[in-house]
Amino acid sequence: DAKTTQPPSMDCAEGRAANLPCNHSTISGNEYVYWYRQIHSQGPQYIIHGLKNNETNEMASLIITEDRKSSTLILPHATLRDTAVYYCIVRVAGPGAGNMLTFGGGTRLMVKP
Amino acid sequence: DTAVSQTPKYLVTQMGNDKSIKCEQNLGHDTMYWYKQDSKKFLKIMFSYNNKELIINETVPNRFSPKSPDKAHLNLHINSLELGDSAVYFCASSQERGGTTEAFFGQGTRLTVV
Repeated sequence: DAKTTQPPSMDCAEGRAANLPCNHSTISGNEYVYWYRQIHSQGPQYIIHGLKNNETNEMASLIITEDRKSSTLILPHATLRDTAVYYCIVRVAGPGAGNMLTFGGGTRLMVKP
Repeated sequence: DTAVSQTPKYLVTQMGNDKSIKCEQNLGHDTMYWYKQDSKKFLKIMFSYNNKELIINETVPNRFSPKSPDKAHLNLHINSLELGDSAVYFCASSQERGGTTEAFFGQGTRLTVV
């Protein structure tokens, strides 16, 4: 799986948009971009994923550049409960035991009042 | 209902003991995993299990062994526990759909070896 690079930490004001960047310059054509987050003392939680197109769900939006070498996770109105470590992961699709997630260091997002 | 449940949530034990952590998923997923999160908070895959196919992270000591009595369970057995085994262990499951996979994680088991 391709490696990802994320800033170790970011701050965001409550109510403002949080934009979390991720570089994945070695991504392959069949690799998806996934975002997970881990709130303190809890298991990781799936947020969103995408291949080429921008994606939006009830939690966040994912913007993938045209060359797919980077992406941005957007939390449109960050709340204190969004304080967590956010992981950007790239992996191939497909069934089987070999299709596991490889976590990097992630970005520690601190949402401040 | 909890999708992926682990027991126990906390486990304190002495060096040299053998212990097990249980994991159950009620999502009907066909792949289950064990991850380890150490004191530096890095999450590392330990095992991935799908239809009796087991993928082992080569860095995992053979004192660790996964046991799957059925598709909904993947238990983790640890023999001869060492101080360095202290960590939070997360179980997860996933099901491939339309070429993509969303993994669901349990709440973790904090293992402390004294």
